[in-house]
Amino acid sequence: IAGITQAPTSQILAAGRRMTLRCTQDMRHNAMYWYRQDLGLGLRLIHYSNTAGTTGKGEVPDGYSVSRANTDDFPLTLASAVPSQTSVYFCASSDGPADTQYFGPGTRLTVL
Amino acid sequence: GQNIDQPTEMTATEGAIVQINCTYQTSGFNGLFWYQQHAGEAPTFLSYNVLDGLEEKGRFSSFLSRSKGYSYLLLKELQMKDSASYLCAAMDSNYQLIWGAGTKLIIKP
Repeated sequence: IAGITQAPTSQILAAGRRMTLRCTQDMRHNAMYWYRQDLGLGLRLIHYSNTAGTTGKGEVPDGYSVSRANTDDFPLTLASAVPSQTSVYFCASSDGPADTQYFGPGTRLTVL
Repeated sequence: GQNIDQPTEMTATEGAIVQINCTYQTSGFNGLFWYQQHAGEAPTFLSYNVLDGLEEKGRFSSFLSRSKGYSYLLLKELQMKDSASYLCAAMDSNYQLIWGAGTKLIIKP
């Protein structure tokens, strides 16, 4: 593994289903982030983690949860998906909160 | 509120120079980032400015004026592969990035 990986690459999901998007980094970065990207809008921060064991809410956290059990993994869970959660989801990491963020390849999620 | 403004789309000719502007309003300021994003791909880091002035990195340069809340990305000797979206992001006092919607750059031969 080199950098950040995300899984799945894409997913079509029925509304009401639970879904976990996976994110793993091998750069030993302390901070990790989840963003969603929608057409015509800037990247919006969903949740972040400045270090393993801690998480925080971003701009659009409702309907999403995260955990950070170790340095490498930062899964994002949609407890009960809704169509407005259709988006491209990017995971990112940085050495510290003030440092340059590096992005994973993204997950394209469609909720029907 | 916090806000980033950049043009939605720009067109330029291969071999030419293009300047993409960005204005920002944030609660506190801890630097200005530029990223490149090709269609269907992840954003990739281009530059970071925290002090006023011009930072040059090969064909790409980035400028910052903190007093004016203004930055630009300058791309020289444009190549077809430079066709992409360019994202401006300002870091606020909580070290969170506030992102613009991106400028789609179209390069014509």
